[in-house]
Amino acid sequence: NAGVTQTPKFRVLKTGQSMTLLCAQDMNHEYMYWYRQDPGMGLRLIHYSVGEGTTAKGEVPDGYNVSRLKKQNFLLGLESAAPSQTSVYFCASIFGPNTGELFFGEGSRLTVL
Amino acid sequence: AQSVAQPEDQVNVAEGNPLTVKCTYSVSGNPYLFWYVQYPNRGLQFLLKYITGDNLVKGSYGFEAEFNKSQTSFHLKKPSALVSDSALYFCAVRDGGSTLGRLYFGRGTQLTVWP
Repeated sequence: NAGVTQTPKFRVLKTGQSMTLLCAQDMNHEYMYWYRQDPGMGLRLIHYSVGEGTTAKGEVPDGYNVSRLKKQNFLLGLESAAPSQTSVYFCASIFGPNTGELFFGEGSRLTVL
Repeated sequence: AQSVAQPEDQVNVAEGNPLTVKCTYSVSGNPYLFWYVQYPNRGLQFLLKYITGDNLVKGSYGFEAEFNKSQTSFHLKKPSALVSDSALYFCAVRDGGSTLGRLYFGRGTQLTVWP
């Protein structure tokens, strides 16, 4: 099994450009999450989804949008990228809310110039 | 509110010596606790978890952690460190009564094991 796959792995954007990060999982998980990792900040939750067609805000949602049209995919969009969004983005998934650990993708490194 | 504190940004230890990476937490309900490891330019790998039961939890690569409810701690330990253990370690907590499943992470502790 591939587990959790993120694309692209690297991307450089100019301020104001838009882009979408794709997360795909093949484990039939209901719950999916987008985190961002910044030095000294740990991982902070951007948005999450508790099932197909649902999304909700995490602790740092501003400047991002998400969609969960299919159960296996969770998309993270930046409509107008800003340098403050330079970060490493991680997608994670889990079957249910109390079924143990999250499974993480390998990360997507985004640089906004 | 849920939170995790990792009081040490860096831990340095000689190979063969025991290591401890500290973690304390705050959670409103029953704590579900996790340790993850991150190697450079990689994702987070699960090491171990405490959900219920024995306070001493054993995980991957010889790591273990002890849940201490009175001290609200979940320190990661290994009896004999290896150079290959050098990595970034994250402690995380979930409220066991939550229906959202999300984890709250500490800021991470960089472990360096020197030969």
